[in-house]
Amino acid sequence: RKEVEQDPGPFNVPEGATVAFNCTYSNSASQSFFWYRQDCRKEPKLLMSVYSSGNEDGRFTAQLNRASQYISLLIRDSKLSDSATYLCVVNLSPNTGNQFYFGTGTSLTVIP
Amino acid sequence: DADVTQTPRNRITKTGKRIMLECSQTKGHDRMYWYRQDPGLGLRLIYYSFDVKDINKGEISDGYSVSRQAQAKFSLSLESAIPNQTALYFCATSDHGTVQETQYFGPGTRLLVL
Repeated sequence: RKEVEQDPGPFNVPEGATVAFNCTYSNSASQSFFWYRQDCRKEPKLLMSVYSSGNEDGRFTAQLNRASQYISLLIRDSKLSDSATYLCVVNLSPNTGNQFYFGTGTSLTVIP
Repeated sequence: DADVTQTPRNRITKTGKRIMLECSQTKGHDRMYWYRQDPGLGLRLIYYSFDVKDINKGEISDGYSVSRQAQAKFSLSLESAIPNQTALYFCATSDHGTVQETQYFGPGTRLLVL
């Protein structure tokens, strides 16, 4: 079983729509959670960290459900510029070895 | 200037050749990583280093070697390149001293092995 699993999509949504991505992780000892954004042929860039209480950054909201071991990302009022692949990333522990695990990504295309 | 740089950005080589990919960072981070990305497989860890001369194997280290002679530099070598090493290679750094350790990526090296 993969450490991190995401629905690869693709998600094709019209401008202004709200879209949500989910990600599940297998190791209950996971401690840190992130969403990264990757544009075509570019490096992944941190979109936002995910905190236990949930957090919001403008149009983006991230939530963590430890009991069910999933993370979500909600994008409101989608813009054309939101088109990208969104990677779910989980870190087992910040202090013990490299334990960053990446999902394969969810592709989003926002349509005019 | 970019905090994490990689050279070369693109490379075409032939089977059996030895090549080296370089990564440099100005972030002052102690931890550095090499990943490869293939379509449908996501990012897979090749090697990582927590400090100068510290080397650890990742998920797919066979056929690769690394060197960390300075905190700011982490190089990846393919001793004898083969076609299935054709991929997009990313270097990343992180600072374990932060509360929420986060990785920062270089722009990638696109490698084609013929």
